[in-house]
Amino acid sequence: AQTVTQSQPEMSVQEAETVTLSCTYDTSESDYYLFWYKQPPSRQMILVIRQEAYKQQNATENRFSVNFQKAAKSFSLKISDSQLGDAAMYFCAYRSGQGAQKLVFGQGTRLTINP
Amino acid sequence: NAGVTQTPKFRVLKTGQSMTLLCAQDMNHEYMYWYRQDPGMGLRLIHYSVGEGTTAKGEVPDGYNVSRLKKQNFLLGLESAAPSQTSVYFCASSYSVRRESTDTQYFGPGTRLTVL
Repeated sequence: AQTVTQSQPEMSVQEAETVTLSCTYDTSESDYYLFWYKQPPSRQMILVIRQEAYKQQNATENRFSVNFQKAAKSFSLKISDSQLGDAAMYFCAYRSGQGAQKLVFGQGTRLTINP
Repeated sequence: NAGVTQTPKFRVLKTGQSMTLLCAQDMNHEYMYWYRQDPGMGLRLIHYSVGEGTTAKGEVPDGYNVSRLKKQNFLLGLESAAPSQTSVYFCASSYSVRRESTDTQYFGPGTRLTVL
């Protein structure tokens, strides 16, 4: 079974600075997807960024980018120019490329932005 | 286009009571999912459905039943609620075919359930 591990329960960063959230995963599959979801106090799950395992290029979405290291099974999220609205729980998630698109989540990292 | 909606938003039950959580989506998605989120943990899959009339067990299915009688609805039932089922429940839906721009799960707003 696949597992996802986020080793940083909490992180904090000064507004406008850059922060990196870590995620490692374990799988024997070669076809899969990785995601970062943001969960603000409203509880809504918001997709931040996604990465297909077959793509070598790291995904980017505006201030959000990932460092995907397939051999090391590492998938970190970098947030540049942090803003107060970035404060939330961040979850790393894995999904197999085959069959039903079930997500396996990590435990989450609570990100605090200091003004 | 409401996306994924969940009913109710909050509920308090006594041990042994039953209830049904309703999830509805208007995006014509084939796949639907129920997750639970406990404090300090990520979401865990309870049950899922790959189409109308079909359901399957996820990671933590015990104590729950589901039904998918209509493509747009996915019901989660608790026949005899227990305090261990106190959690936030999320429904999600997705397409079955890979579509580059929309290949992701869309989540509902969650239901906070407390079992006393």
